[in-house]
Amino acid sequence: NAGVTQTPKFQVLKTGQSMTLQCAQDMNHEYMSWYRQDPGMGLRLIHYSVGAGITDQGEVPNGYNVSRSTTEDFPLRLLSAAPSQTSVYFCASSRGQGASEQYFGPGTRLTVT
Amino acid sequence: AQSVAQPEDQVNVAEGNPLTVKCTYSVSGNPYLFWYVQYPNRGLQFLLKYITGDNLVKGSYGFEAEFNKSQTSFHLKKPSALVSDSALYFCAVRDPSRGSTLGRLYFGRGTQLTVWP
Repeated sequence: NAGVTQTPKFQVLKTGQSMTLQCAQDMNHEYMSWYRQDPGMGLRLIHYSVGAGITDQGEVPNGYNVSRSTTEDFPLRLLSAAPSQTSVYFCASSRGQGASEQYFGPGTRLTVT
Repeated sequence: AQSVAQPEDQVNVAEGNPLTVKCTYSVSGNPYLFWYVQYPNRGLQFLLKYITGDNLVKGSYGFEAEFNKSQTSFHLKKPSALVSDSALYFCAVRDPSRGSTLGRLYFGRGTQLTVWP
């Protein structure tokens, strides 16, 4: 199993550009989520999905869109990048949302200039 | 409101000494509690969890954690620290009695553990 994969690993954007961060998992997990990690802030939930076709907002959803057309994939779209979106982004998956632990991808380091 | 606190930004210990990384939580119901570790330039890795039952849970790499309901704490411990344990540690809590939105996982801000030789 590859687990949770994310692409790209690094990205530099100019303010106003858009892009999609890719996330895929091969564990047939129902629950997937996107976090951003900023120094001293821990992880903050952006969006999550409890299954294909079902998504919901997390703690910091503004400026981001998601969709879940398949169980495996959960892309995160930045609509119009802003310097405040400079961060490290992690995708995670788990069997459910209850007692299951989450499996994290390696992260995407995004810089917006 | 649900929250989790890691009161120490940094913990430094000598190799071979016991280590403790502290975590306290605030949830309205009975919590699910987790510890994750992050090595430099890597994603988070699951260490251990408390769901129910024995208050002392054992996890990966010799780590254990003790759930204390009266003190609302879930401190991570290891009897003998290794240099390779140096990493960023996150405590996380979930209230399973809430819905899918409010019952999500809340992370602490992380504690940087440094173990020196």
